[in-house]
Amino acid sequence: AQKITQTQPGMFVQEKEAVTLDCTYDTSDQSYGLFWYKQPSSGEMIFLIYQGSYDEQNATEGRYSLNFQKARKSANLVISASQLGDSAMYFCAMREGGGADGLTFGKGTHLIIQP
Amino acid sequence: EAEVAQSPRYKITEKSQAVAFWCDPISGHATLYWYRQILGQGPELLVQFQDESVVDDSQLPKDRFSAERLKGVDSTLKIQPAELGDSAMYLCASSSGRLREQYFGPGTRLTVT
Repeated sequence: AQKITQTQPGMFVQEKEAVTLDCTYDTSDQSYGLFWYKQPSSGEMIFLIYQGSYDEQNATEGRYSLNFQKARKSANLVISASQLGDSAMYFCAMREGGGADGLTFGKGTHLIIQP
Repeated sequence: EAEVAQSPRYKITEKSQAVAFWCDPISGHATLYWYRQILGQGPELLVQFQDESVVDDSQLPKDRFSAERLKGVDSTLKIQPAELGDSAMYLCASSSGRLREQYFGPGTRLTVT
């Protein structure tokens, strides 16, 4: 079974609209971390936001927020007021356990912002 | 702002040749990771170092891949011999420790012909 599932291969969104990118995860660990990364066409992976499994409040970083629903094992990324520069691949990732282990990534969502 | 450095950015090599990639993590980051990203997929962990020690290399194809971090700072990933299926982006990342985000370098895009 996949540990990280991103069900939206591609999305088209109008500029200035809010967009939600879906991510569900599968783990039996009680302690884990969830991450979102942005990958523009240039290839670098840019860290956006982090949510720990014990964090009671949803994480927010500027225009990015993470809608964390632990019981549903869901960690959706919400981008408010989308901009043309938001066009990129977006990856959800998980680190299991409380250490510094490597990340397990989903297949990604290709987001295209239209003017 | 501190960044993870990688070189080369692009590499074209012929099948059966040897190829090496270099990574210099953010200063002070004890944990270093090598990932492989095949086109159209998410990155997959190849190897993880804590200082100079390998913590996880369970997904590293050890018959042809090797990785080292001799002084616990920069790291080299080697493929010998390269195969057509090794064509991918090789990403290096570093982290300051547990429960912390990983910062990625620009990657090395390998093409094997």
